[in-house]
Amino acid sequence: ETGVTQTPRHLVMGMTNKKSLKCEQHLGHNAMYWYKQSAKKPLELMFVYNFKEQTENNSVPSRFSPECPNSSHLFLHLHTLQPEDSALYLCASSQEASGGTGNEQFFGPGTRLTVL
Amino acid sequence: QQQVKQSPQSLIVQKGGIPIINCAYENTAFDYFPWYQQFPGKGPALLIAIRPDVSEKKEGRFTISFNKSAKQFSLHIMDSQPGDSATYFCAARNQGGKLIFGQGTELSVKP
Repeated sequence: ETGVTQTPRHLVMGMTNKKSLKCEQHLGHNAMYWYKQSAKKPLELMFVYNFKEQTENNSVPSRFSPECPNSSHLFLHLHTLQPEDSALYLCASSQEASGGTGNEQFFGPGTRLTVL
Repeated sequence: QQQVKQSPQSLIVQKGGIPIINCAYENTAFDYFPWYQQFPGKGPALLIAIRPDVSEKKEGRFTISFNKSAKQFSLHIMDSQPGDSATYFCAARNQGGKLIFGQGTELSVKP
């Protein structure tokens, strides 16, 4: 596997279910990100982890719970979601969560989530 | 202040045409301006990027023009091909490394 991988690629869940999204990066990066992509809207940054520490929570509802056990893995735990949470959830990684030359973000293919 | 405004929302050109996508920002502290290309079923991929001390950057058929005083930048695709049909996002990065994205432009290049 190379780059940033995400599983599952598609997920359908009811509002009372609990599920988790998984992201793994094979780039040796130290920062990982969760974004939400809805149709016709800009990508919305949800969470940032830098060296396994959460450095940003962009006012995300508590029904989304991130977990970063190490610099290569990132999870997004989902519970009691709403239909408006249906979207493409993208994971990204970069060398560090800061500015600077060469600190580009690399994205995974995303998980298409549908909440019924 | 943290917004990036992108236009047009969609664009259709003939093969060989030069589509132009425009973005505007307010925050003068942004220090890096990347463009991402996204195909259906894929995540965004970095296409080309520019820093505010440069007015133009060219990589292959893709060119970024940057106007610092107007706080605007644009992507030009020379000799566009049907394979360039995708959604294009501009973004601006603040000094903390956070990317602010535009709304995206769906480009369709007709054969």
